[in-house]
Amino acid sequence: KAGVTQTPRYLIKTRGQQVTLSCSPISGHRSVSWYQQTPGQGLQFLFEYFSETQRNKGNFPGRFSGRQFSNSRSEMNVSTLELGDSALYLCASSFGQETQYFGPGTRLLVL
Amino acid sequence: AQSVTQPDIHITVSEGASLELRCNYSYGATPYLFWYVQSPGQGLQLLLKYFSGDTLVQGIKGFEAEFKRSQSSFNLRKPSVHWSDAAEYFCAVAGGTSYGKLTFGQGTILTVHP
Repeated sequence: KAGVTQTPRYLIKTRGQQVTLSCSPISGHRSVSWYQQTPGQGLQFLFEYFSETQRNKGNFPGRFSGRQFSNSRSEMNVSTLELGDSALYLCASSFGQETQYFGPGTRLLVL
Repeated sequence: AQSVTQPDIHITVSEGASLELRCNYSYGATPYLFWYVQSPGQGLQLLLKYFSGDTLVQGIKGFEAEFKRSQSSFNLRKPSVHWSDAAEYFCAVAGGTSYGKLTFGQGTILTVHP
């Protein structure tokens, strides 16, 4: 069974731009969670989607948003990028709300 | 609110030596507990998990962890470390109404000397 895939793997943007990251979960998994990883703050939860509904949300500004499609694929969007948004963005999928399996991440650099 | 503390930021061991990585959590009820490993530039790989039952859980790559409710701990152990175990290790907790939200510790970087 294929693992969690994330596209693109690397991205360079400039301040003020917006970006969309994509995540395809493991086949059969209906829950997708997103995390931001930075050297200073570590791994922080962004949000979780299940059956196209946001089920949990972390403490991030409204510039961070996400959605999930009927095939469980998920996207997250960051608008008006700031330098501090440079990070590794990790997506994880799970069948229900149990074990989360992570993708390789998208590394975003904001210049 | 749930939280996780990994007291050791960096640990160095010699190849073949035993390893114990510490993890303490804060959570009101019985949590779901996890250990993940991350190699540089990679995503997180699940090593093992504890949901309930036997408090000593076995994972991949020869790792094990013991859940101790009285100490709010979930320490990771390996009897003999291999050079390929060098990586960063994260302890995480989930539970309550937020099982889909993992709260991670700050991570422990493991260096293995030959």
